[in-house]
Amino acid sequence: GAGVSQSPSNKVTEKGKDVELRCDPISGHTALYWYRQSLGQGLEFLIYFQGNSAPDKSGLPSDRFSAERTGGSVSTLTIQRTQQEDSAVYLCASSLQVKRGTEAFFGQGTRLTVV
Amino acid sequence: AQTVTQSQPEMSVQEAETVTLSCTYDTSESDYYLFWYKQPPSRQMILVIRQEAYKQQNATENRFSVNFQKAAKSFSLKISDSQLGDAAMYFCAYRSSTGTASKLTFGTGTRLQVTL
Repeated sequence: GAGVSQSPSNKVTEKGKDVELRCDPISGHTALYWYRQSLGQGLEFLIYFQGNSAPDKSGLPSDRFSAERTGGSVSTLTIQRTQQEDSAVYLCASSLQVKRGTEAFFGQGTRLTVV
Repeated sequence: AQTVTQSQPEMSVQEAETVTLSCTYDTSESDYYLFWYKQPPSRQMILVIRQEAYKQQNATENRFSVNFQKAAKSFSLKISDSQLGDAAMYFCAYRSSTGTASKLTFGTGTRLQVTL
């Protein structure tokens, strides 16, 4: 696709339910990142994929959070047993992992609201 | 671990004027990349400008330029001839150039208002 696509754009869920957030990166981009942006805050790193493997999961806040990437393309971030503090915008980015100066392209994010 | 600090939560500038957004960072590395991203209300982060630490020359992209002071670990963004479309959140970010740490580390952002 022309850009990074995330779905859904907005999600309202009840506390305790599981949610899945999807990221479709730019075709050919081997690196994929998930970030969380709480209201009025900066971006908090969650996880990084290179191809289908995740060499850096250090930002996942608890074992309720997991992510996978299949076929070196689409990634899914799953939050189990959602809590109100999980409410945030979840942003996905992808880049050509040629060198570290390479631009990361971001999607428009999924706004998750846990009620 | 690297940290990025943006000490100005909000800034305001009149149309056609110049504004400078501040960013400082902390790192023990000598080679890295610095970025400024813009986030309009659409939420999509857009790259404004990037700087490679080993390059002494300050990066410039049209009306946007940086003042990179490596020794002081400072990376400010100057916006000249400000336009209404420049109104957005601006985030400074750091990325290591070595090792397995490929993530971008962001500051907390500066909200820029542009007035007539």
